[in-house]
Amino acid sequence: GQNIDQPTEMTATEGAIVQINCTYQTSGFNGLFWYQQHAGEAPTFLSYNVLDGLEEKGRFSSFLSRSKGYSYLLLKELQMKDSASYLCAVLDSNYQLIWGAGTKLIIKP
Amino acid sequence: GAVVSQHPSWVICKSGTSVKIECRSLDFQATTMFWYRQFPKQSLMLMATSNEGSKATYEQGVEKDKFLINHASLTLSTLTVTSAHPEDSSFYICSARDGGEADTQYFGPGTRLTVL
Repeated sequence: GQNIDQPTEMTATEGAIVQINCTYQTSGFNGLFWYQQHAGEAPTFLSYNVLDGLEEKGRFSSFLSRSKGYSYLLLKELQMKDSASYLCAVLDSNYQLIWGAGTKLIIKP
Repeated sequence: GAVVSQHPSWVICKSGTSVKIECRSLDFQATTMFWYRQFPKQSLMLMATSNEGSKATYEQGVEKDKFLINHASLTLSTLTVTSAHPEDSSFYICSARDGGEADTQYFGPGTRLTVL
């Protein structure tokens, strides 16, 4: 079956760095998405990786290793507003989205 | 495994026809379901919130007469795109909120609609 794993919850301190991991087993691979979702709001697109390596976008970076079925989202200089759920989703060979359950990130002062 | 399914996965239709997309929660009863539209590499755009047994709440700018939503049971919501046009071509994603855990939202795999 298809599966995406990511931690349920993480806690970090304001100003610090946190890495949210995502491992996947899917039928084919056409890219991996990271979304941020604040409570009661629609998910916001953060990144899309289809090739191996690190992509940096401001305070957020996303890494992909297709051979390992692994990705991570790196958040630097954490701010209180970064408290949210972070969703990992993979586009499989049929271009269907396989979703992780999301990681709830709690930022403490 | 998947807890929310969508059917069909892909649909291609002619302009002017109507298309129905189903969203089902498989392992739980969903009092609330959401319908999103996604353009490539963009955020999910919330179209409407569907509550079982009541009328859907549409977001500003979404035509309720064009995008008909029915949430007939606690495990099924449908989105019907009426008189579809090429600009309606998109990826439609539903999600369902587990009534037992208000903060848990499960997303479906999406339905890719192409209107010719």
